[in-house]
Amino acid sequence: EAQVTQNPRYLITVTGKKLTVTCSQNMNHEYMSWYRQDPGLGLRQIYYSMNVEVTDKGDVPEGYKVSRKEKRNFPLILESPSPNQTSLYFCASSLYPSDNFEQFFGPGTRLTVL
Amino acid sequence: AQKITQTQPGMFVQEKEAVTLDCTYDTSDQSYGLFWYKQPSSGEMIFLIYQGSYDEQNATEGRYSLNFQKARKSANLVISASQLGDSAMYFCAMSHQAGTALIFGKGTTLSVSS
Repeated sequence: EAQVTQNPRYLITVTGKKLTVTCSQNMNHEYMSWYRQDPGLGLRQIYYSMNVEVTDKGDVPEGYKVSRKEKRNFPLILESPSPNQTSLYFCASSLYPSDNFEQFFGPGTRLTVL
Repeated sequence: AQKITQTQPGMFVQEKEAVTLDCTYDTSDQSYGLFWYKQPSSGEMIFLIYQGSYDEQNATEGRYSLNFQKARKSANLVISASQLGDSAMYFCAMSHQAGTALIFGKGTTLSVSS
């Protein structure tokens, strides 16, 4: 089954404790990205990657890091989480380049930073 | 600036009635894609429908149709014969290049009552 998986699905942590949210896709997609969703703001892109070893900032990259060592994986790293990073996080992937605009979303990770 | 505007924070509809969720967009590009996603209370993002900027016919997917008015830069979602399971948050989104970043609106919460 074609899918994007994220782990963990739920995480409660404390300020300053480094964490990683994993994202993996099995569709051989080149493009992967991370979004965060906050009430009243919709989804905003954090980082994206056009292919292995190619990453770039989205609209809200402060406080986050990413890496793309393999095509299927795109982990999101919070080196020193703060309460303002409490949010719902989505990983997404898509073909690139492509005539198909569709992006496939993971199930989401609910992060709470105390 | 590229922007998606959803002016209805909340909508209420009776079961079996049709409902229109509004979406306007702002772009100077000629090539773009417009999407609608559904987010139930469980949090996942469910792709509903896609309209390409060069598509002359309005997109339809079952009970969902996208009323695309290019000159007015609107991409309203029409849900026919609403069901209780349609109660969710609905996001309109736009992408300027196939397989790249989605720009989201702030969402509309739809409540369907019996």
